[in-house]
Amino acid sequence: IAGITQAPTSQILAAGRRMTLRCTQDMRHNAMYWYRQDLGLGLRLIHYSNTAGTTGKGEVPDGYSVSRANTDDFPLTLASAVPSQTSVYFCASSDSGTSTGELFFGEGSRLTVL
Amino acid sequence: GQNIDQPTEMTATEGAIVQINCTYQTSGFNGLFWYQQHAGEAPTFLSYNVLDGLEEKGRFSSFLSRSKGYSYLLLKELQMKDSASYLCAVMDSNYQLIWGAGTKLIIKP
Repeated sequence: IAGITQAPTSQILAAGRRMTLRCTQDMRHNAMYWYRQDLGLGLRLIHYSNTAGTTGKGEVPDGYSVSRANTDDFPLTLASAVPSQTSVYFCASSDSGTSTGELFFGEGSRLTVL
Repeated sequence: GQNIDQPTEMTATEGAIVQINCTYQTSGFNGLFWYQQHAGEAPTFLSYNVLDGLEEKGRFSSFLSRSKGYSYLLLKELQMKDSASYLCAVMDSNYQLIWGAGTKLIIKP
């Protein structure tokens, strides 16, 4: 069982380029999330999706877009990357039916924008 | 605004006990979570508290006082593999998670 798979694990790209971070889960979880993690800061929510076909904005959505065409996939796109988007990006999912709301995280995608 | 406070770094000795504190100020409360994150890896779930009191799970225990906006994670019989960051997160009234910056725990032999 893979859980959540993110790709790429690491990427360096030039400012202004378009980039899509991929996220796939095989747990049939309804809810999926994209977070960024920066040194000295807590995880910050970028976008989320409570169920296939719906998405919502988190705390720091500017410069990012997402889609949720099916239950398993939740790609994150940077339309025109900027250096401030250098970060580690984590995709996560949760079974919204459980009382604890435990999140399951992917291994992360380390993105450097030059 | 919403805020989660936890110490930036703590050091403890192998075999000892350590308590990591977390205080919070959020818009509503629907539970508090602790996650463990080893360097370069993904966070993994440790515990969930929604009622006051102590929840024990093996060597790890988590305590919650809603009236004080306070929680702690207690780690007993520390092992070298416990060296990691410990993240406190609170679910607010909108069921959104608010995350602390994490406490880096260093275990020394």
